[in-house]
Amino acid sequence: DAMVIQNPRYQVTQFGKPVTLSCSQTLNHNVMYWYQQKSSQAPKLLFHYYDKDFNNEADTPDNFQSRRPNTSFCFLDIRSPGLGDAAMYLCATSRGRGLSYEQYFGPGTRLTVT
Amino acid sequence: AQTVTQSQPEMSVQEAETVTLSCTYDTSESNYYLFWYKQPPSRQMILVIRQEAYKQQNATENRFSVNFQKAAKSFSLKISDSQLGDTAMYFCAFMGSGGTSYGKLTFGQGTILTVHP
Repeated sequence: DAMVIQNPRYQVTQFGKPVTLSCSQTLNHNVMYWYQQKSSQAPKLLFHYYDKDFNNEADTPDNFQSRRPNTSFCFLDIRSPGLGDAAMYLCATSRGRGLSYEQYFGPGTRLTVT
Repeated sequence: AQTVTQSQPEMSVQEAETVTLSCTYDTSESNYYLFWYKQPPSRQMILVIRQEAYKQQNATENRFSVNFQKAAKSFSLKISDSQLGDTAMYFCAFMGSGGTSYGKLTFGQGTILTVHP
């Protein structure tokens, strides 16, 4: 089945130690999104790629970076994780960017910072 | 900026009963979509139902239906004949057609729904 895959499902990192989260998709969608979802809060969009075009949200900290080497893969890099970065990170994809395009979500990676 | 508010942090319902989850939103846009997403425990978020603002008819998907009140900026989800598999966090979300909200989802805080046998 076509799907959005996130690895790992659970990630533990140390304070200040760089960490990379991975997302892959078999849907061949043009757009890939990264959301941060803290406990009991709404998912918050960090950034998205439309093809190779990177779109950062204005309030996304510089500590968060992303790479999309090809259509299928997208990575979230946290350069120096702080305790406040502990959260569920959701990857989503859509065929296009606009009102009629449904977003398909992966299962998320839960990040713990010790 | 758009805001989405879900005023019910938690809801519970008996199996086979009907439950309604509330959502209000604020926007100055005239064309937009509204969504309900379901996030089961430890599983990915999936789209339940969506409504285009220009359509007056309320969307329906099997046991799920919405009550869209555009003037009141209200978008509630009704789940009929509740099933144990409906237990999940439900998010209301907004997507605008212009400016900074174009193509982006703004989520509410979520409502945890528990269906009891």
